[in-house]
Amino acid sequence: ETGVTQTPRHLVMGMTNKKSLKCEQHLGHNAMYWYKQSAKKPLELMFVYNFKEQTENNSVPSRFSPECPNSSHLFLHLHTLQPEDSALYLCASSQDRSQTPGYTFGSGTRLTVV
Amino acid sequence: DAKTTQPPSMDCAEGRAANLPCNHSTISGNEYVYWYRQIHSQGPQYIIHGLKNNETNEMASLIITEDRKSSTLILPHATLRDTAVYYCIVRGITSYDKVIFGPGTSLSVIP
Repeated sequence: ETGVTQTPRHLVMGMTNKKSLKCEQHLGHNAMYWYKQSAKKPLELMFVYNFKEQTENNSVPSRFSPECPNSSHLFLHLHTLQPEDSALYLCASSQDRSQTPGYTFGSGTRLTVV
Repeated sequence: DAKTTQPPSMDCAEGRAANLPCNHSTISGNEYVYWYRQIHSQGPQYIIHGLKNNETNEMASLIITEDRKSSTLILPHATLRDTAVYYCIVRGITSYDKVIFGPGTSLSVIP
C-alpha cells in the first residue's frame, strides 16, 4: 500500500451506466490528481485539486465529473462513457512545497467500457 | 508536452548496472528532477529526486550534470523485478506545478 487507495480495482460498465471511482489518501497531502493511461500511452493529466479546489481541467469531456469533498477524498463520476474511455485511471496526491516523494500514486482502477 | 526526453527502450543484463539517461535542457532554476517507475499496470512508484547535487538512496543513484540539462538514473545491480517503464520528470515543489509524463524508457532486465 502506498497510502493512496483506489476503489474499485477493476470496473466493467456499459455505455449507459453511471459509476464512480473513489480515491482516498491519509498522508496529509493537500493536492490530488486524476490521470488516465490508455494502452501503450503515457499518463495523461485530467484534473488537479489543490486544497479541495479544482485548479486544472485538462480539456476533459464532461462525461467525466470530478468531486473533491475534502482534502482526503477524490471521486471521478462517470456517465455515458465510450469504449475509447477504457483505460487505467490513476489517482495521485502530493504535499505543497514538499520535495519527497513528489507524487504518491494509487494502484489505479482498470476501467472497461462495453 | 513533457519537458524531458528519454530513449524509448533499453536492455540490461541481470546483475549489471542500468544507466538510464534523461535530457531536460529547458529545466528552470527552481525545478527538481524526479524519477518514477511503473511496473506493468500498477501506479508509478517514486524512486529518487534531486536539484543539482548527485543523490543516492536504497533504490538508485541520480547523477545530474553541472549545467542541469541532463541526468542519469543508475540502478547499480539490476534484477528482473526492475523491468518497468522509467519516467524522468521535472517539476517545481508547489502543488500548483503540473507534472506531465512523457513516454518514459521501457527497461527490460534480461537473465
